[in-house]
Amino acid sequence: KAGVTQTPRYLIKTRGQQVTLSCSPISGHRSVSWYQQTPGQGLQFLFEYFSETQRNKGNFPGRFSGRQFSNSRSEMNVSTLELGDSALYLCASSAGTASYGYTFGSGTRLTVV
Amino acid sequence: GIQVEQSPPDLILQEGANSTLRCNFSDSVNNLQWFHQNPWGQLINLFYIPSGTKQNGRLSATTVATERYSLLYISSSQTTDSGVYFCAVSTSGSRLTFGEGTQLTVNP
Repeated sequence: KAGVTQTPRYLIKTRGQQVTLSCSPISGHRSVSWYQQTPGQGLQFLFEYFSETQRNKGNFPGRFSGRQFSNSRSEMNVSTLELGDSALYLCASSAGTASYGYTFGSGTRLTVV
Repeated sequence: GIQVEQSPPDLILQEGANSTLRCNFSDSVNNLQWFHQNPWGQLINLFYIPSGTKQNGRLSATTVATERYSLLYISSSQTTDSGVYFCAVSTSGSRLTFGEGTQLTVNP
C-alpha cells in the first residue's frame, strides 16, 4: 500500500511569491491534514480536509489556504510569501475518524529568500 | 487548548542502553501517537496508543489515560534510533497537538 506522497520535496521561493504544495493520501483515506514545522514554533496544525470540506483550521493567517479534490488529494497554497514561512510542511492522512491515527508524508521543505 | 509536555528534552545514550521518554498531557484524549522524526524530516508512526500498552520489537509504549501520561521505552538502543521523538495527542479527532520532542542521540 503506497504511503502519503508529498511533492515537491524541496522548494525555494522569493519573498512575495506564492507557492502550492501537493499531498496524495493513502488510498482509501479521506482525511488530509497539514502541519508546519519550524525550529521556533515546533509542529503546528494548519488545517484538515475531509471529503473536500475543511473540517478544522489552525491559527494561521488567511495567506494560508488549502483544498481537497474528489480523489482526496489535497493542495495547500501560501500567497505573498514571507521569510518566516520558511519551514517543513508535513501532510498527514487518516481514514477520517482518528481511530487508527495519522500517517505522515516525507514533507516539503520550503525556503523563502 | 490541550498542553503536551515531553521529557527529557535531550537524551544521550551509549549503544545498548535502555531509555524511557515521557509525555504528559493536560486533558482527556481520544488519540495519542508516538513518532520518530528521521533525518530527512519524515514523521514515522511508532505507536497509536490512546490507552494501554503496546510493544513492537525493542520499542514499547504505555499510556495511562486516567493519569494523563504516556511512556515510550527503547531497549538495547542502536545508533539508528537517534533522532527526535514526538508525542502527539488530539481531544476530538482531527487536530494533533505535538509536544516539543525529545532529541535522542545514541553513540556507538
